[in-house]
Amino acid sequence: GAVVSQHPSRVICKSGTSVKIECRSLDFQATTMFWYRQFPKQSLMLMATSNEGSKATYEQGVEKDKFLINHASLTLSTLTVTSAHPEDSSFYICSATTGTSGANEQFFGPGTRLTVL
Amino acid sequence: DAKTTQPPSMDCAEGRAANLPCNHSTISGNEYVYWYRQIHSQGPQYIIHGLKNNETNEMASLIITEDRKSSTLILPHATLRDTAVYYCIILHPPSSNTGKLIFGQGTTLQVKP
Repeated sequence: GAVVSQHPSRVICKSGTSVKIECRSLDFQATTMFWYRQFPKQSLMLMATSNEGSKATYEQGVEKDKFLINHASLTLSTLTVTSAHPEDSSFYICSATTGTSGANEQFFGPGTRLTVL
Repeated sequence: DAKTTQPPSMDCAEGRAANLPCNHSTISGNEYVYWYRQIHSQGPQYIIHGLKNNETNEMASLIITEDRKSSTLILPHATLRDTAVYYCIILHPPSSNTGKLIFGQGTTLQVKP
């Protein structure tokens, strides 16, 4: 159980275009989803926290108008990278948690590798 | 959240126990110790967590010192597939439902044949 999927797994786009990444919890309802970004040879950096039905909370330094997050249901959150540029090329990872008392471990998706040309 | 300190890298022979240390001297009384690992180009994987008692599951054991200022993750019989970056993270209580994981640099464990 506790499987999180991401789509697409890999995307290449031209500079200036927008890219949408989906994160789904397949066998549980995720009250909270998180989005991370990871550059080569670096650790994961939390970008934002997303609760179903409410606006995402962004970490300091993350542009909310550039990284649009929608959490419309308990099993789906999307991250849209708007007007992508080469510096946005990175590994984007989502995670989900049920948020139930006593079990707060996050379940991570396999990641999406974005390359902006 | 409390900060953690881990060695940047460790080697372990296949079949031997891997002991990964973590210092968290500023941990608060109600904060948990969580361990995750990330195999290259994959999403992180939850391993284990604990508050003050030692914990064991099918993947690993977690030993937390009595003063809770440090802990050790033990992989009892390391295999080549355990080669990964291991992250020790301090987290607010599960019931808080905030659950933000702040990843440090972790320990790169290389299991060698």
